Amino acid sequence: EIVLTQSPGTLSLSPGERATLSCRASQSVYSSFLAWYQQKPGQAPRLLIYGASSRATGIPDRFSGSGSGTDFTLTISRLEPEDFAVYYCQQYGSSPFTFGPGTKVDIK
Amino acid sequence: EVQLVQSGAEVKKPGESLKISCKGSGYSFTSYWIGWVRQMPGKGLEWMGIIYPSDSDTRYSPSFQGQVTISADKSISTAYLQWSSLKASDTAMYYCARQKQGDIWGQGTMVTVSS
Repeated sequence: EIVLTQSPGTLSLSPGERATLSCRASQSVYSSFLAWYQQKPGQAPRLLIYGASSRATGIPDRFSGSGSGTDFTLTISRLEPEDFAVYYCQQYGSSPFTFGPGTKVDIK
Repeated sequence: EVQLVQSGAEVKKPGESLKISCKGSGYSFTSYWIGWVRQMPGKGLEWMGIIYPSDSDTRYSPSFQGQVTISADKSISTAYLQWSSLKASDTAMYYCARQKQGDIWGQGTMVTVSS
């Protein structure tokens, strides 16, 4: 089973700042099948990025994903007020399709 | 509109059985995997398992293997998650999601198990 580690646990930033979130896998993620999700309180998760770097339908271009192998990054270029949420990475290259523990982005 | 609609909240007692559902619409149900994800109160997302409705090919996380059963009825475009004997520790929100990468999510079903 691939274990995903996300860092930092919490990121305190101001609107307009750049956010860089990390996701590290215990072994190489097959074919970069790595997704990022955003979850706000009381809501279902929303897919942001799949295939490590492809934006899902309707996702603003301030969200970008990069990485391969075991190291992946989600970058939010300029934080908007609606971006303060919890972000999860998930690998779906080999079953079980595990999630990371999440990074909370909160307002500084 | 492509959507997954889950069944409503449930309150059960320990030892009872339960089957919750996830109905797909707006797309070819048999062409996409449907996965189930648990979120315990105040905690993160846990991947439980996934099914391909066309042939019922099913994969489980080792953490949930033997604890739950995932199934699908392609004739009514519905996937299911069921328990034969609930425990208090099964109290959680359960989400279904389309595809391995979860491009569409249901609204969630809250399951509360309490004596």
